Amino acid sequence: ELKVEQNPLFLSMQEGKNYTIYCNYSTTSDRLYWYRQDPGKSLESLFVLLSNGAVKQEGRLMASLDTKARLSTLHITAAVHDLSATYFCAVDIDGGSNYQLIWGAGTKLIIKP
Amino acid sequence: DTEVTQTPKHLVMGMTNKKSLKCEQHMGHRAMYWYKQKAKKPPELMFVYSYEKLSINESVPSRFSPECPNSSLLNLHLHALQPEDSALYLCASSQGGLAGTGELFFGEGSRLTVL
Repeated sequence: ELKVEQNPLFLSMQEGKNYTIYCNYSTTSDRLYWYRQDPGKSLESLFVLLSNGAVKQEGRLMASLDTKARLSTLHITAAVHDLSATYFCAVDIDGGSNYQLIWGAGTKLIIKP
Repeated sequence: DTEVTQTPKHLVMGMTNKKSLKCEQHMGHRAMYWYKQKAKKPPELMFVYSYEKLSINESVPSRFSPECPNSSLLNLHLHALQPEDSALYLCASSQGGLAGTGELFFGEGSRLTVL
């Protein structure tokens, strides 16, 4: 069965701290995506990781992909309240033009002042 | 212009009503998607149109009927829905084709309540 597992599913942390969200997947894929969703809102693309060893950074967020380990990480550096949201990883199982994604359950991140 | 526009933002309908959700993008994307999202869950793929042809239908009940009139527009026709169909319906687009990255651009969503 194709699975994408995120952990933790819930994370409450203090501002200024560092933390990592993990995304493990069970199928061969070299395309992985991270999305952010604010409460009651739509999804926003954060990172597109398209090859083994890909690393992308945007502000206090950094994402990486290890296709051999079937693992992606989303690292938060010196968290600020504005980063509070739910973060989803999604893995492309098609590799073709239709981009069928398997989604993780999401990590709800709460950053306390 | 990097927007995907969805209308209406909110919709309340009875089980006997017929309504439609609309989606428009002007990014030149050739793949368009309908997703359904329940609270505290990841989005679930419903339909994919690739180059204006329906390429994926994830065993969605026939009370949901997609339509892609042209490469910029995507509709979802709703008929005889059930209360359990209440959810956030998200339209998304991507570049499409093998050269595309697969990155999805989502609209703001249409929040549907079925009474």
